[in-house]
Amino acid sequence: DQQVKQNSPSLSVQEGRISILNCDYTNSMFDYFLWYKKYPAEGPTFLISISSIKDKNEDGRFTVFLNKSAKHLSLHIVPSQPGDSAVYFCAASARTGTASKLTFGTGTRLQVTL
Amino acid sequence: DAGVIQSPRHEVTEMGQEVTLRCKPISGHDYLFWYRQTMMRGLELLIYFNNNVPIDDSGMPEDRFSAKMPNASFSTLKIQPSEPRDSAVYFCASSSRYSNEQFFGPGTRLTVL
Repeated sequence: DQQVKQNSPSLSVQEGRISILNCDYTNSMFDYFLWYKKYPAEGPTFLISISSIKDKNEDGRFTVFLNKSAKHLSLHIVPSQPGDSAVYFCAASARTGTASKLTFGTGTRLQVTL
Repeated sequence: DAGVIQSPRHEVTEMGQEVTLRCKPISGHDYLFWYRQTMMRGLELLIYFNNNVPIDDSGMPEDRFSAKMPNASFSTLKIQPSEPRDSAVYFCASSSRYSNEQFFGPGTRLTVL
């Protein structure tokens, strides 16, 4: 059973527009969430995270929103750039602030077109 | 720091052969994780270590898979005997005890014919 779900396998957005990537989770014990970005032939790299005590975290063009009641989070990229084309993974942890296992979604492939 | 180092980057082998994947974590990191990436299941955690001790191996698919961490700077994931369904990209990641953020290596693409 997938405890972290990314229901959109792919997304295409025009350069300059907003990209919105979605993620749902089922485990109420998750209290820390991360987004990773992955280019072909490379390992995933950390992008942005959010603790369950917040509902929004922003870092430059990237903003993550958390809706705990709906068990839903989203990653907004504004404005989207061609270099953002990659696979994005949502991940969740049940232990904020310390190392622990992460549960990943299946990923969403973002294509930013010119 | 060189980051997490994995070898080999690519491995092609025949069914029934033994495969050994290697990982060197970031110096000073206490935790080491092995993942497998497939199209259907995304990134699956296979096993993780804390201070060289296996903590959770519930993701290891079956007895054909084994992992060791003989010291703080080296870990192996072994598949014996390998099967075509083991074909995937295998990632190693490490993290500090004080952070949820994991740093990934470049992965090993395994093809079992």
